[in-house]
Amino acid sequence: DVQMTQSPFSLSASVGDRVTITCRASQSISTYLNWYQQKSGKAPKLLINAASSLRSGVPSRFSGSGSGTDFTLTISSLQPEDFATYYCQQSYNNPYSFGQGTKVEIK
Amino acid sequence: EVQLVESGGGVVQPGGSLRLSCVTSGFTFSSHWMTWVRQAPGKGLEWVANIKQDGSQKYYVDSVEGRFTISRDNAKNLLYLQMNSLRVEDTAVYFCARDVGASGDFGLDVWGQGTTATVSS
Repeated sequence: DVQMTQSPFSLSASVGDRVTITCRASQSISTYLNWYQQKSGKAPKLLINAASSLRSGVPSRFSGSGSGTDFTLTISSLQPEDFATYYCQQSYNNPYSFGQGTKVEIK
Repeated sequence: EVQLVESGGGVVQPGGSLRLSCVTSGFTFSSHWMTWVRQAPGKGLEWVANIKQDGSQKYYVDSVEGRFTISRDNAKNLLYLQMNSLRVEDTAVYFCARDVGASGDFGLDVWGQGTTATVSS
């Protein structure tokens, strides 16, 4: 099975900061990598799929990159509504697995 | 409006069973892979199982293999998760989710609100 490892586990940042979250797969997954945002008590929301494809309605300050085993999610200018937990997920091999999550908190 | 609504959660003793249901509307259910994802209290997301459009392929995370069964009724637009031999560690909010497109490998774009299963003696 493919294992997904995110870093950092959590981070503190200020409004306007540039934030980068990293996700590493235990084997090559091409670009079958998705990013989700989850706010407390809510269902996750798909932000980016296929490593870099921004979903409709998602602000352009979010971007994704990478292929193979190493991927990044970048928020170019953090906004108050972006404070949440972010998860990566591989959809290359079943069972499709999630990373452990990165909590983005207010500094 | 595309909508997924889960039900069937509750409190059950270890070794017991629960059957979760997910009623879908607003899209062609039979055209999509469907997935169950769970989240234990205070923990991250865990992918549980998925099922192909016609039910011919099903996959499970190792921790539930042989105990959980995913199924679907395309005539009724319903997704199910039969959970047997439940363990304390199965306690979680269970989400049903729709896979993007027909191939099932581009993420989960629509989610339900979740139903809570609690396994406790």
